[in-house]
Amino acid sequence: AQTVTQSQPEMSVQEAETVTLSCTYDTSESDYYLFWYKQPPSRQMILVIRQEAYKQQNATENRFSVNFQKAAKSFSLKISDSQLGDAAMYFCAYRLKTGANNLFFGTGTRLTVIP
Amino acid sequence: ETGVTQSPTHLIKTRGQQVTLRCSSQSGHNTVSWYQQALGQGPQFIFQYYREEENGRGNFPPRFSGLQFPNYSSELNVNALELDDSALYLCASSLSSGGRSYEQYFGPGTRLTVT
Repeated sequence: AQTVTQSQPEMSVQEAETVTLSCTYDTSESDYYLFWYKQPPSRQMILVIRQEAYKQQNATENRFSVNFQKAAKSFSLKISDSQLGDAAMYFCAYRLKTGANNLFFGTGTRLTVIP
Repeated sequence: ETGVTQSPTHLIKTRGQQVTLRCSSQSGHNTVSWYQQALGQGPQFIFQYYREEENGRGNFPPRFSGLQFPNYSSELNVNALELDDSALYLCASSLSSGGRSYEQYFGPGTRLTVT
């Protein structure tokens, strides 16, 4: 069974500083996608960044980057130069590349940005 | 290009009643997935529809049912509502083509309260 674990229910960061959110997952598959989604108080789930399992290079999107460790089944999100608008719930998610493409989500990390 | 929309925004129902939630998929998408997000939890996959057929189902009882229409919009129906059905219901649309599934884009959700 696929499971996604986020061990940090809450994190805080000073504005302009860097924060890392942790995620581990469990799967017996070798080819899959990993995602970080942001859910602000408006509730809409927004895709932040995506990683393909077969790609060794870590994905980067502007201030957001990941540290993907496939053997350790670890997928952390680093937010650089944190901004007030980054405050939200962050969910790590996994899905297979083939078959049903439903997402498996972790329980989320609430990020607070301190001015 | 219009995004994913959901209606209604909020809904209050009584235990034992039935409810229908609606989702309009993003232009060009042919697949709709529904998720239930209980308070303080990550979204849980309910089911997915592809070209008007159910294409995968999570661990939800049969009183959760759905439809997809020729224009790829979708409905989620829940019969015999229980208090535990109180949650945010998220719809996500995506494109499936040539055996590949592309990113899921989420709507703003419907907040269902069962009293």
